[in-house]
Amino acid sequence: SQKIEQNSEALNIQEGKTATLTCNYTNYSPAYLQWYRQDPGRGPVFLLLIRENEKEKRKERLKVTFDTTLKQSLFHITASQPADSATYLCALDRGFQKLVFGTGTRLLVSP
Amino acid sequence: EAQVTQNPRYLITVTGKKLTVTCSQNMNHEYMSWYRQDPGLGLRQIYYSMNVEVTDKGDVPEGYKVSRKEKRNFPLILESPSPNQTSLYFCASSLSIVSNQPQHFGDGTRLSIL
Repeated sequence: SQKIEQNSEALNIQEGKTATLTCNYTNYSPAYLQWYRQDPGRGPVFLLLIRENEKEKRKERLKVTFDTTLKQSLFHITASQPADSATYLCALDRGFQKLVFGTGTRLLVSP
Repeated sequence: EAQVTQNPRYLITVTGKKLTVTCSQNMNHEYMSWYRQDPGLGLRQIYYSMNVEVTDKGDVPEGYKVSRKEKRNFPLILESPSPNQTSLYFCASSLSIVSNQPQHFGDGTRLSIL
């Protein structure tokens, strides 16, 4: 069956360091992968989208990579700040906006 | 302000009492969707709509109904709620069904079915 895995344990890092979150998937061949941020009591907010033929995508301090051979996406936040503390979700697109979400990884950035 | 609005935000009710959660978007989006979010299971799609009068089942449709009579509204109906439908529900919309479009989410409705 199709499966998406994100590290369920919280990631604790110090302010200024780079946070790296992992999204692994099996039994998919997605053409697109998206990353969302979710704060407590709020809905997910779109961050970045990467296509299967793109190895890397950047937006300000955010960087996403997509390795279709390894079936893995990495999400990096450079120069992290306490305001980056949130849960980050990856989502694979099965086509026609049918997204399948991972369970998310909680990031805690300490001052 | 572009947004997806859900109501109510919180609801506690009893088994079998029909309820409707409303969802409205002001972005003229074609695509709308309902998800439920449960601990350890992530967001799972309940129903989606590609346009007015076009709806289809997602991954967990049992016990739910939807309708799309107008482009902006996509209500979620629980005809006979049961405790296993206690969850956090999100409505989302997207410009179209084209895969390179992000989805915009509401802030959620927390349902408790006793």
